[in-house]
Formats: sequence, structure tokens, C-alpha cells
Amino acid sequence: GIQVEQSPPDLILQEGANSTLRCNFSDSVNNLQWFHQNPWGQLINLFYIPSGTKQNGRLSATTVATERYSLLYISSSQTTDSGVYFCAVARAGSYQLTFGKGTKLSVIP
Amino acid sequence: EPEVTQTPSHQVTQMGQEVILRCVPISNHLYFYWYRQILGQKVEFLVSFYNNEISEKSEIFDDQFSVERPDGSNFTLKIRSTKLEDSAMYFCASSYGTGYQPQHFGDGTRLSIL
Repeated sequence: GIQVEQSPPDLILQEGANSTLRCNFSDSVNNLQWFHQNPWGQLINLFYIPSGTKQNGRLSATTVATERYSLLYISSSQTTDSGVYFCAVARAGSYQLTFGKGTKLSVIP
Repeated sequence: EPEVTQTPSHQVTQMGQEVILRCVPISNHLYFYWYRQILGQKVEFLVSFYNNEISEKSEIFDDQFSVERPDGSNFTLKIRSTKLEDSAMYFCASSYGTGYQPQHFGDGTRLSIL
């Protein structure tokens, strides 16, 4: 099956700092989503971005499908950004999302 | 904004018992999914469902599991003869289509097997 690798596995930031999270995948995809899992376990959908660039407030994401990677940018981080960020992809012709192991982000005041 | 709703939020069951997890997908969505996440691990695909039949399933989704859309709004996951290792968060998701459509996730049901 498709492989999804996320880096870094853990990240500690001072409040106000910027960060970049990376997701590499091993095959062509027709779906790529970024999620934030909050401390209560909820999966919050951040971006649907199989290709191109999108921005939503302090967050933005870029997927370069031809090179099989996606980046999630968090600017001016806040303590509420803490949690685990997951990248999930679906291969062309498949219904299932394959998740990476996530990046655990801790933002400290 | 429409959401996927899951009930109950937390289910505690004795080992060996049957459990049914319930989901109400977004109303105009056609594709439905179940995923699970064992504590501290990544989210894993279980099954997808379209037009009243299973479209795709993972190795995890064995004979112990079944899914059903009993009416026009609910989508259920049944786990028979539960085991300790079935303890996990179970997420339901739905999408309007496959492929070039995002999947929308519910808040999950935390299943604890004692």
C-alpha cells in the first residue's frame, strides 16, 4: 500500500514562532487532507489539498503532487495549536485514506 | 456547516459482548467510512460503503465487523464478540464522492472493552 511519512515526529515551539510540517507519500494520490487532532481526540479537517496551495488564516498548505510531498505552515503559533497534525492520502482509484503517524506539536507560552 | 454526528461519545462494554456504533453522515453525502485509532497510534482505515454495499475494506475488517445503513440517515458499525484489543476511538466519515472529494469526520466514539 501507499506509504506516508511525516516529519518531524515531535516539535516544541515558543508561542509566536512559525513552523513547517512535512508529509511525504510514495504514490500518486487523488486526495490529500491535513487534520489537527485536539486533546479531546477530535479530528479537525484543516485542508483538502491534493495539489496546489491554500491558506486559511495563520495556516497554509502546499502540495507538490509531482514530487509527492505536502507542507503545512503554521505562523504565529498559539497554545491552542498544540496537538497532533496528521496528513492522510488516498491513492488514485482507492477510497481509503492512509494516515501518517503524525507530528505532535507543543506550543509553550 | 453540516457535520457528521456519532453516538455514543463513549461506550464501555464487557469483553465478548456485541456493540453497535452509530453515525449520521452529512445528508447529501453518498460515501461512508469507518476508521479506528488505537490510543497513541495513527488512524487506520476499516471500511468504505457506497450504494448499500462495501466498496473497500482493510485487513482489520474481518468477520467480527459488519456495517449497515438501516435507513436513509444512519450508518452503523457492529462489532461482535468484542476483544480487549478492540478498545480504540472509532471515527465515522462521509464524502459526497470518492477521489477528488474531501472526507468529513465525526468526533468519534471512544470504545473501552473491559
